[in-house]
Formats: sequence, C-alpha cells, structure tokens
Amino acid sequence: EPEVTQTPSHQVTQMGQEVILRCVPISNHLYFYWYRQILGQKVEFLVSFYNNEISEKSEIFDDQFSVERPDGSNFTLKIRSTKLEDSAMYFCASRGIQGSNQPQHFGDGTRLSIL
Amino acid sequence: SQQGEEDPQALSIQEGENATMNCSYKTSINNLQWYRQNSGRGLVHLILIRSNEREKHSGRLRVTLDTSKKSSSLLITASRAADTASYFCATPKPNAGGTSYGKLTFGQGTILTVHP
Repeated sequence: EPEVTQTPSHQVTQMGQEVILRCVPISNHLYFYWYRQILGQKVEFLVSFYNNEISEKSEIFDDQFSVERPDGSNFTLKIRSTKLEDSAMYFCASRGIQGSNQPQHFGDGTRLSIL
Repeated sequence: SQQGEEDPQALSIQEGENATMNCSYKTSINNLQWYRQNSGRGLVHLILIRSNEREKHSGRLRVTLDTSKKSSSLLITASRAADTASYFCATPKPNAGGTSYGKLTFGQGTILTVHP
C-alpha cells in the first residue's frame, strides 16, 4: 500500500538555525498538509497546500514557516529561525481528489528537537 | 470552530474485552474520521464515516455517528494487546465556499491500554 514518507525521522537543531523537513506524499495525491504535535498535546494543523499554493494556514504558521513543492514528488516544510517552542513531532499528510470524503494519509513524522 | 473531543481520556482493559471510545464535536460536518497513533509513530487512518451514515464496520471496528447529538463512538471488539495506542477522532473543516481542503481538527485522544 502506498505510504507517505518523511525524512529525517529525528532532527536536532540549535535555536536560531534553519531546518527543512521533507515529505514524499502518495504519488497520485494532490492535497498536502503539515501538522505538528507538541509532546502530550493535540495534533495541530499548520498548513494545507493545493495546486501549488497554500490553501489554508493556521496562526502557528507565521513568517518563520514556509512550504514548497520543489518537484513532482517532494513537499517540504522550512522553519527559518527555529525557537525552543518549535520542538515537536511534525507530520506530513496527503489526500486524494475523489471528493472531500477522503481520509488523509500520514507519515511517521519527524521529531524536531531544538536545543 | 469544529473540535473533536474524545472520552474517556484513558481506558484500560483486558485482552478479549471490547473497548468503546466516544467523540463529540461542535459544528456540522461532512464526515468524521478516526485515527490510531502508536507511541512515537504517525497517525493511521481507521475509518471515515460520512454525515449521512449512521454506522460503519471495518473488521473488529464499529463506528457510529449521531449527527443530532454531534457525537460518534468507536467500538473495538475482542481487543488485542496490539490495539494498545491512542485513538483520535478528527473532523475536516470546509472552507467558506463549501468545498473542502480538508484541514483536520483533532481531539486530545483516548489512550487505550490492552493488557495481555
């Protein structure tokens, strides 16, 4: 069964550094998402991406965050200048286009630790 | 805003018993989705139930939806130790035009522990 894959599985970065989290969505999917989960808290929506542009973003997704689909397969989340509070699990998800009643498929996440 | 909230927060049962988890939400929905998360792993989609459906089955899983009460339940029958995980309900938010880009709102989850 096709999967969403995320790399790296764990990223340790110094505060203030830039970090790029990578995702390869399921190949025929056209809706892409990033979520995050701070330890012990709910999964929170960050951003959705469709037709090569952001379709919706949350308050968390400020100017320090950006997303890109540089080629036909990768979907990246960049945090420009990381803060301690960015430490979390970051999940990528993708969804097919057969109507709105389709589930999202999630990757295993990248654990981001900011020191 | 739409919000799925599960209860109980934690459930501990013996292998072979049934586990029931509940979810409530606040606004109208197109569908409601249940996900499982094993410790330190990603979210695995279990079942999607549409707003015009009342019950749906998948293997040992049974999901019900009561749109009048804005609630859903997930029943796992004959539980196994491998079912130990956190279970979340999630509702997608349509945008203002009625189409859906699918932003999911998750609840806090129910932590299920199945003892062998």
